[in-house]
Amino acid sequence: GAVVSQHPSRVICKSGTSVKIECRSLDFQATTMFWYRQFPKQSLMLMATSNEGSKATYEQGVEKDKFLINHASLTLSTLTVTSAHPEDSSFYICSALFDGQETQYFGPGTRLLVL
Amino acid sequence: DAKTTQPPSMDCAEGRAANLPCNHSTISGNEYVYWYRQIHSQGPQYIIHGLKNNETNEMASLIITEDRKSSTLILPHATLRDTAVYYCIVRVGPKSNFGNEKLTFGTGTRLTIIP
Repeated sequence: GAVVSQHPSRVICKSGTSVKIECRSLDFQATTMFWYRQFPKQSLMLMATSNEGSKATYEQGVEKDKFLINHASLTLSTLTVTSAHPEDSSFYICSALFDGQETQYFGPGTRLLVL
Repeated sequence: DAKTTQPPSMDCAEGRAANLPCNHSTISGNEYVYWYRQIHSQGPQYIIHGLKNNETNEMASLIITEDRKSSTLILPHATLRDTAVYYCIVRVGPKSNFGNEKLTFGTGTRLTIIP
């Protein structure tokens, strides 16, 4: 069964609003979580890496003030898209690396549509 | 992390073995080969990974050449549900260096299983 969940699975919002996406690890403690973005017909692009209790590390070109990441516990990381605009419409996917494991497990993704 | 090269698309008849190639000629000694797949509108799913020995699990087999410059993912009896984009990713060994756990996705191979 799934070991990583995301909520919501789909969200539609107006331009200028903020949207929070949750990523939860189920039954396991995730030492590190990753956030990816995928535009239509493109591959996944890593946005940031977050470790529990510390600041996220953002990839080049990703605005940390626009994409706020909070990894407050070993089972929850949140991504907040602040002041969303239509160009932020995308498929946002998280993954988790569990303590003692070698493999990242991915969530089902959240499809964001900004009108 | 080393770059990988995969064919953009492949077809395979249902019930037959699907063999997906991947070239990683610049792979270094401490880099593993990982395979993930992404079914349409879902998060990536881990399939298998290996260092230099061939690996097999309930989903697939991974054959790595002796020089480690290429590998093949084998789905032994493909079904329609195996239609997906398959990603071959090379990255440093698990837990070898903090901060190097991230996965870099290429464009993958779009595998279509034909009824």
